[in-house]
Amino acid sequence: AQSVTQLDSQVPVFEEAPVELRCNYSSSVSVYLFWYVQYPNQGLQLLLKYLSGSTLVKGINGFEAEFNKSQTSFHLRKPSVHISDTAEYFCAVSDADAGNMLTFGGGTRLMVKP
Amino acid sequence: DVKVTQSSRYLVKRTGEKVFLECVQDMDHENMFWYRQDPGLGLRLIYFSYDVKMKEKGDIPEGYSVSREKKERFSLILESASTNQTSMYLCASTRDSYEQYFGPGTRLTVT
Repeated sequence: AQSVTQLDSQVPVFEEAPVELRCNYSSSVSVYLFWYVQYPNQGLQLLLKYLSGSTLVKGINGFEAEFNKSQTSFHLRKPSVHISDTAEYFCAVSDADAGNMLTFGGGTRLMVKP
Repeated sequence: DVKVTQSSRYLVKRTGEKVFLECVQDMDHENMFWYRQDPGLGLRLIYFSYDVKMKEKGDIPEGYSVSREKKERFSLILESASTNQTSMYLCASTRDSYEQYFGPGTRLTVT
């Protein structure tokens, strides 16, 4: 079974600083990778996804992520964060062998300080 | 835009009560899912359905059941609510499983 690890449960950062949220998954031949964001009192919204092709994926709100197959990682980055980026971020993996069901990481709470 | 709605944002029930959580999507998606979200554990799949009257157990189905009588509606049922079922419940739908669309969630408290 697939497993997803988000190494940091909370990441505090000052406004306009860069940020990286880390995500590692257990090895599989074929995976699809996702980052979702959850703003306070809301459901999850897709930030970006990797299905195939270029390993650098750009998403909404200036976020990007890089798929690294050898390190089984899919870290999320933003060069300059805003207060409005304060939210919980979830990494998710879909393993083609498991019928494309999503397995989620435990989440990382990004706290942007002024 | 895809819209997934859930019947309640907040719900308080007593131990032993039967609880119904309703989810409706408006995009004719075949696949629908129920997750629970707990701090530090992310989202865990309770049940999913890939067609009307079809259901499959997820990772944590114990204490829950589901119903899908119409394509747009997927209900989660707690037959006898317990305090360890206090959680945030999220419904999602998708056509192809590559991107799931989520509802706003129902925060259930069982006392």
